[in-house]
Amino acid sequence: QQKVQQSPESLTVSEGAMASLNCTFSDGTSNNFRWYRQHSAKGLEVLVSIFSDGEKEEGRFTAHLNRANLHVSLHIREPQPSDSAVYLCAVSTNTGKLTFGDGTVLTVKP
Amino acid sequence: ETAVFQTPNYHVTQVGNEVSFNCKQTLGHDTMYWYKQDSKKLLKIMFSYNNKQLIVNETVPRRFSPQSSDKAHLNLRIKSVEPEDSAVYLCASSLLVSGNTLYFGEGSRLIVV
Repeated sequence: QQKVQQSPESLTVSEGAMASLNCTFSDGTSNNFRWYRQHSAKGLEVLVSIFSDGEKEEGRFTAHLNRANLHVSLHIREPQPSDSAVYLCAVSTNTGKLTFGDGTVLTVKP
Repeated sequence: ETAVFQTPNYHVTQVGNEVSFNCKQTLGHDTMYWYKQDSKKLLKIMFSYNNKQLIVNETVPRRFSPQSSDKAHLNLRIKSVEPEDSAVYLCASSLLVSGNTLYFGEGSRLIVV
């Protein structure tokens, strides 16, 4: 069964400093990766989707995928206090099975 | 802009009562889901429907039952709630059955006392 683990569990950064979040997965057939964000008492919103090794940028959000290392990361450039939220990694296998990670709580201090 | 609508957003009830959560999506998607999110923010799939047909039914207690009248609606009924049912229930939709972005509602928080 796929295991998706995120690190760190929580992260505090200052406004403007790069924030980096990590996600490891266990199923090597995984081929579909997304990062979602969830603000307090809200639903999830997708930030970036990536399907092949390398990087994918969506505005201030950049995902890096290294399937050989079973690793996908999210980098947030110039984070703002409004980016404070829970960030969830979502990994799908080639059979379509989707698993969410356990989340990273990001706090951006002014 | 929200396109997946859940009601109610918040519900407090006593053990043993029945609860229903409603979900509607206006995206024209074929697939809808119910997820349970615990206090640690961990998301677990409960059910997914494609065009009113059940396609995923994870191991959940039998007191949970999904109901779909058409592909834009997927409701969740809980008969005789238990304290461990306290959680946030998130409805989502996607264009196709697998591999697509999920669009989520804002969640329905259930507190069982």
